[in-house]
Amino acid sequence: SYVLTQPPSVSVAPGQTARITCGGNNIGTKSVQWYQQKPGQAPVLVVYDDSDRPSGIPERFSGSNSGNTATLTISRVEAGDEADYYCQVWDNNNDHQEIFGIGTKVTVL
Amino acid sequence: QVQLQESGPGLLKPSETLSLTCTVSRGSVNFYYWSWIRQPPGKGLEWIGYVHYSGRTNYNPSLRSRVTISVDTSKNQVSLELDSVTAADTAMYYCARRPSGNNQPFDYWGQGIMVTVSS
Repeated sequence: SYVLTQPPSVSVAPGQTARITCGGNNIGTKSVQWYQQKPGQAPVLVVYDDSDRPSGIPERFSGSNSGNTATLTISRVEAGDEADYYCQVWDNNNDHQEIFGIGTKVTVL
Repeated sequence: QVQLQESGPGLLKPSETLSLTCTVSRGSVNFYYWSWIRQPPGKGLEWIGYVHYSGRTNYNPSLRSRVTISVDTSKNQVSLELDSVTAADTAMYYCARRPSGNNQPFDYWGQGIMVTVSS
């Protein structure tokens, strides 16, 4: 089955830029979604279809996807951005499975 | 905006059947895929499976032998059954909506329900 690889953790100072990667075989050919999950809360969609933002998500959140790596970028990081972030794809090459990465804990220093 | 609410027993004994319901309000189950996703304590998200409003289903191969997901359009509800539970099935269970069509995200999630399996 298709596997998504994320770093377990990323640390960033307030005001700086956080980059969270999601690796997968030819992931650039797939559509990637990103979800933010704060403690005790359900996940929230922050980026879909590689780089689109749902309404209400700040422009500080952006996404890209090429080759074997998709990236979620959080610019001008704020304390409120501290959360777990999960990438997700729909693997239509394998019986239409929904695949999640293991998640990346973003810590704001 | 649409709201999803999971309900069902929070405590089960090993070998019992987990039965959960997701009630959709301020919207319709029609024209969407409805997934169940779970998250063991301190761990990541695991997709369990989906049901399309038409009744078509698809499941995670690792759970396929034990899972049934169904939709009741008249009640605007989606249901999950997981047979023969063990402690490994202890998790927060979420229902989530995905629009029909390729490359669509899970755009709405329920708040989740914690299910514990313990003797």
